[in-house]
Amino acid sequence: EIVLTQSPGTLPLSPGERATLSCRASQSVSSSYLAWYQQKPGQAPRLLIYGASSRATGIPDRFSGSGSGTDFTLTISRLEPEDFAVYYCQQYGSSRLTFGGGTKVEIK
Amino acid sequence: QITLKESGPTLVKPTQTLTLTCTFSEFSLSTSGVGVGWIRQPPGKALEWLALIYWDDDKRYSPSLKSRLTITKDTSKNQVVLTMTNMDPVDTATYYCAHRLLLLTDWSDAFDIWGQGTMVTVSS
Repeated sequence: EIVLTQSPGTLPLSPGERATLSCRASQSVSSSYLAWYQQKPGQAPRLLIYGASSRATGIPDRFSGSGSGTDFTLTISRLEPEDFAVYYCQQYGSSRLTFGGGTKVEIK
Repeated sequence: QITLKESGPTLVKPTQTLTLTCTFSEFSLSTSGVGVGWIRQPPGKALEWLALIYWDDDKRYSPSLKSRLTITKDTSKNQVVLTMTNMDPVDTATYYCAHRLLLLTDWSDAFDIWGQGTMVTVSS
């Protein structure tokens, strides 16, 4: 099973700042089959990025994903008030899907 | 517009079997490439994938829970059912069903549309 480790656990930032979130896999993720989700309190997760770098339908271009192998990054170029939330990565390169532990982006 | 909705008991006793139903609309599980997954989230904790069923009835399970899970589909009713046996208080969580992202030119087991989730508490 591929274990995904997200860092940092909490990221205090101000609106307008750049957010850089990390997701590290315990082994290489096949074909960069990695997704990122955003989750706000009381809501279901929302797909942001799939295939490590492809934005899902309707996702603003301030969200970008990069990386390959075992190291992946989600970048939010300029934080908007609605971007403060918890972010999860998920790998689907293995038939045993796994999620990371999450990074909370909070208002500084 | 694709929608999914989970239904089932809100409270189950330890050792009982949980049965959850995901009822969906605007897609068919008989269409090539389509899949529906189940994911859960204990209060204040991270997401955990449970199971996934594909259009061709192929099924995948979380290795740690495989012995307790069964996922089935009823294409005529647009439903997917998840059963989990021998429930324990640690299984208390919000349970989500979600639509597998369908790409024309690539494989994807990401989930693009999620239900609202249903909270299940395990307690005597």
